[in-house]
Amino acid sequence: EAGVAQSPRYKIIEKRQSVAFWCNPISGHATLYWYQQILGQGPKLLIQFQNNGVVDDSQLPKDRFSAERLKGVDSTLKIQPAKLEDSAVYLCASRNDRAGPEAFFGQGTRLTVV
Amino acid sequence: AQSVTQPDIHITVSEGASLELRCNYSYGATPYLFWYVQSPGQGLQLLLKYFSGDTLVQGIKGFEAEFKRSQSSFNLRKPSVHWSDAAEYFCAVGGSSASKIIFGSGTRLSIRP
Repeated sequence: EAGVAQSPRYKIIEKRQSVAFWCNPISGHATLYWYQQILGQGPKLLIQFQNNGVVDDSQLPKDRFSAERLKGVDSTLKIQPAKLEDSAVYLCASRNDRAGPEAFFGQGTRLTVV
Repeated sequence: AQSVTQPDIHITVSEGASLELRCNYSYGATPYLFWYVQSPGQGLQLLLKYFSGDTLVQGIKGFEAEFKRSQSSFNLRKPSVHWSDAAEYFCAVGGSSASKIIFGSGTRLSIRP
């Protein structure tokens, strides 16, 4: 079975620019997570979707971050405008709640804001 | 509140030696517990999980973990480490369906030849 796909793998932008990340979860996985992982830290949950509805976005900086999951499949995470402190790896994960409690992760997108 | 504490930031062990990585959690209901491993530039790979049954769980790559409810702990162990085990290890806690999964800050494992 194909894993979680993310693109791009790397992105370098200047501060105040906008950027978008894309995630394609494992087929049939209803739950989708976006995490931010700053260098040397653990992943921090930004937003959780159940199908195309938001379950938890309490840690999402909504003044600059937005996310959507159209049709309950693919998801995009956007940052506008970016700040230097947004430099991190953005990880997408998906979960099939009927098969097990664990999440499966993509390889992530490394964002550098200069 | 849901939280995970990994008290060891960095551990170095000799190749062939045993390993124990500590994890303590806080969760209001029955926890689902996980250990993930992350190699440089890679995503997270699941090593093992616990959500019911036998409190000693076996995972991939020869790892095991023991759930101790009285101590709110889920420590990861391996009897003999290999150089390829050098990586970052994350403990995580979650709940049943539609719950969030929260990660600890990680423990970096280095292997001494």
